Amino acid sequence: DTAVSQTPKYLVTQMGNDKSIKCEQNLGHDTMYWYKQDSKKFLKIMFSYNNKELIINETVPNRFSPKSPDKAHLNLHINSLELGDSAVYFCASSQDVGNEQFFGPGTRLTVL
Amino acid sequence: QKEVEQNSGPLSVPEGAIASLNCTYSDRVSQSFFWYRQYSGKSPELIMSIYSNGDKEDGRFTAQLNKASQYVSLLIRDSQPSDSATYLCAVKINDYKLSFGAGTTVTVRA
Repeated sequence: DTAVSQTPKYLVTQMGNDKSIKCEQNLGHDTMYWYKQDSKKFLKIMFSYNNKELIINETVPNRFSPKSPDKAHLNLHINSLELGDSAVYFCASSQDVGNEQFFGPGTRLTVL
Repeated sequence: QKEVEQNSGPLSVPEGAIASLNCTYSDRVSQSFFWYRQYSGKSPELIMSIYSNGDKEDGRFTAQLNKASQYVSLLIRDSQPSDSATYLCAVKINDYKLSFGAGTTVTVRA
């Protein structure tokens, strides 16, 4: 009965590869988010979808492409991975845009 | 100027003491404020939300908000070793996204 789940939990890959992270929430929320937390633990918003519509697209390289097939799912695809992409990526959801957000367990991405 | 600023710490308090965490924000019209707790290697967990000036208490936690001073704080009373974590202040900015502070790491000494 996990509220927000992500797969995979760990991802180790080579520079230049393409990878995807998946997120699902069973809270019935309308809004979902992707955050990046770097080695200094700073948590920064990347994207947000509300009812499958993109509403936040921060300054993120266009190698990152989110996709929301329905309200309960938000995936993140990353092309041509770079060393600087190494971080923990968190998915989150909320009932209303920008309000109380609930986070998934995170995906630790390591690019070698 | 950063949107949300916190004392970086680390903050070390003895067990049973009060831990006081501070946060200031730049968006004068922000109306929603949140405190998250993040244990090492885990995801952020919402512990308090506050929307009105004054104090809001939940168990051993008290959030305090002063919109005129653009200041929000979190008090942890009777601190326990299990409270050792990083505490993230988050502010709703431009009415649609949360901006997080860099976090304050708290260590409770047994």
